[in-house]
Order: sequence, then C-alpha cells, then structure tokens
Amino acid sequence: GQNIDQPTEMTATEGAIVQINCTYQTSGFNGLFWYQQHAGEAPTFLSYNVLDGLEEKGRFSSFLSRSKGYSYLLLKELQMKDSASYLCAVMDSNYQLIWGAGTKLIIKP
Amino acid sequence: GAVVSQHPSWVICKSGTSVKIECRSLDFQATTMFWYRQFPKQSLMLMATSNEGSKATYEQGVEKDKFLINHASLTLSTLTVTSAHPEDSSFYICSARDGGRGMETQYFGPGTRLLVL
Repeated sequence: GQNIDQPTEMTATEGAIVQINCTYQTSGFNGLFWYQQHAGEAPTFLSYNVLDGLEEKGRFSSFLSRSKGYSYLLLKELQMKDSASYLCAVMDSNYQLIWGAGTKLIIKP
Repeated sequence: GAVVSQHPSWVICKSGTSVKIECRSLDFQATTMFWYRQFPKQSLMLMATSNEGSKATYEQGVEKDKFLINHASLTLSTLTVTSAHPEDSSFYICSARDGGRGMETQYFGPGTRLLVL
C-alpha cells in the first residue's frame, strides 16, 4: 500500500531552526510537496521537489532523497506565525497526491 | 500566482437540505479539480477528482449520489451535498490543477465550512 509518515507534533522555540521529516512508500513518484495549513484555513503551497537535493526558498528549505524515500522541510529563524500544520504529500504514478497526516508545529516564545 | 476561489466560505443548514459549493479558478484553466474533506485535527481526505466535461472519479467510500460533482467548464466545478446530515459537517476544500503549467501544479481554494444542524 501507499504510505506517508511524518511526526504528529513538534515544538520549537522562536528564532530557532526546526526540521520536519517525511518518509514515503508510494506506487511511483512524480514529486513531493510540502504545504502549510493554519488552523481553520486551507493549505498553502510551500515547495515541490522532484529531483534529489535541497531547494531553498527564503527561511524555508526542502530536501529530497528518492532512493531513501525521504524528505525534510527545514524552517529557519522561526517566527510565531510559523505555528501551523505542515503537510507532506507525494504525487504517485497516476499523478494523484497521497497525503501525510500532517505535523503540527508549535512555536514557543 | 494562480488563484482558486470557493463560495460560500461558510454554510449553516438544516438536516435534509442540499448545499452547493462552487470552486472557481480565477486566472487559469483548470483541467482537473479535486474535492477534499477535512475533519477537525485530521488530514485532508480526497473525495473525488473531476476532469472538465467528464464524470468525476470518486474515492472508495464516497457516495457519488450524495456528493454530486459537476465540472462543466475549465474554470468552474461544483460540489452538491444532497440531503445533508450532521455527520456531513466538515471543512470542504477544492483544488485545481493548472494544465498549462504541468501536472504538478495544484492550487487550493480557501475552503468551505459546512455545519449541518
């Protein structure tokens, strides 16, 4: 079956760095997405990785290793507004998005 | 960036009534639209995938006669929850794939919160 695993909840301190991991097993691979979802709102797109390596976009970076079925989202210089759920999703061979359950990130002052 | 709108953003209705939710791509043609449901503190659950001009493909366990999807144009898809009941109360989110930008690009609407009394 298809499976996406990510931690349920993480806590970090304002100004610090946090890494949210995601491992996957899917039928085929057409890219991995990270979305941010604040409580009560729809997800917003953060990043897309289809090749191995690190993609940096401001304070957020996303890494992919296809051979290991592994990705992480790195958030630097954490701000209180970064408190949200972070969803990992993989696009399978049918171009369907397979969603992880999301990681709730709590930022403390 | 691409914008997807949903209307209404909030619906409160009595049990047994039908509710229609619209999803529009505002500045691109959406070859494929997706409807998701999300219960509190849970992840997104894909309900169905619709391609313009053809019947929607429903995920296992989703009743096609209860959740009617119409994707009549490249910019509009509608989800109608027929004979809604309290257990249908949820956050419904649509997303649209921009066919002109490649298969990977999918944009989300702001969601519609449905409360059935």
